[in-house]
Amino acid sequence: EVQLVESGGGLVQPGGSLRLSCVASGFTFSIHSMDWVRQAPGKGLVWVSRIKSDGSGIYYADSVKGRFTISRDNAKNTLYLQMNSLRVEDTAVYYCTKDYQGLSVWGKGTTVTVSP
Amino acid sequence: QSALTQPRSVTGSPGQSVTISCTGTNNDVGAYNYVSWYQQYPGKVPQLMIYDVSGRPSGVPDRFSASKSGNTAYLTISGLQAEDEADYYCCSYTGGGLVFGEGTKVTVL
Repeated sequence: EVQLVESGGGLVQPGGSLRLSCVASGFTFSIHSMDWVRQAPGKGLVWVSRIKSDGSGIYYADSVKGRFTISRDNAKNTLYLQMNSLRVEDTAVYYCTKDYQGLSVWGKGTTVTVSP
Repeated sequence: QSALTQPRSVTGSPGQSVTISCTGTNNDVGAYNYVSWYQQYPGKVPQLMIYDVSGRPSGVPDRFSASKSGNTAYLTISGLQAEDEADYYCCSYTGGGLVFGEGTKVTVL
């Protein structure tokens, strides 16, 4: 079964850091680009970041550039998102997605809450 | 990276057809044939409905079709069913990353 499982979310104060992880199974992780997408409570989907299969291409939304870092470990079938200098507006459910012919596989998401 | 423009809501009766528009720019929708559409029920994970402008993943009913003209993409739901009531988001490649639409709530009367 193709599956993505996120973890690492939680409650953090403004200015703090969190590292999200996403473990992939059921497909060849190392040949696919991967993306992070977030959704604030009651709001729409927002693309956050993408990393190509071998890590050679990395892209960020302007809203997180310089604060978030995407990475991957193909040997561990794991995608990461290091989030620093967190802001209240970063509060959202963060989804890990497989980027092949659209965002074809989504994890269940992990919730990040940034609050004083 | 402004969000793509979608109507906030669309309403139709069972059996009717509804079309959702998704307007971008020459830098996203108009530049690439990489528009996708996602369906999301409240509290649930989004699901891919259309990829590469008009491709339909296996398992997606053929009632869902899509197209693109210039800077605007379209999703059409034919033979509307009660189960189609959900939020729908378009998404376009931007030359590196992606940009989503604001989302459209489809209501089935």
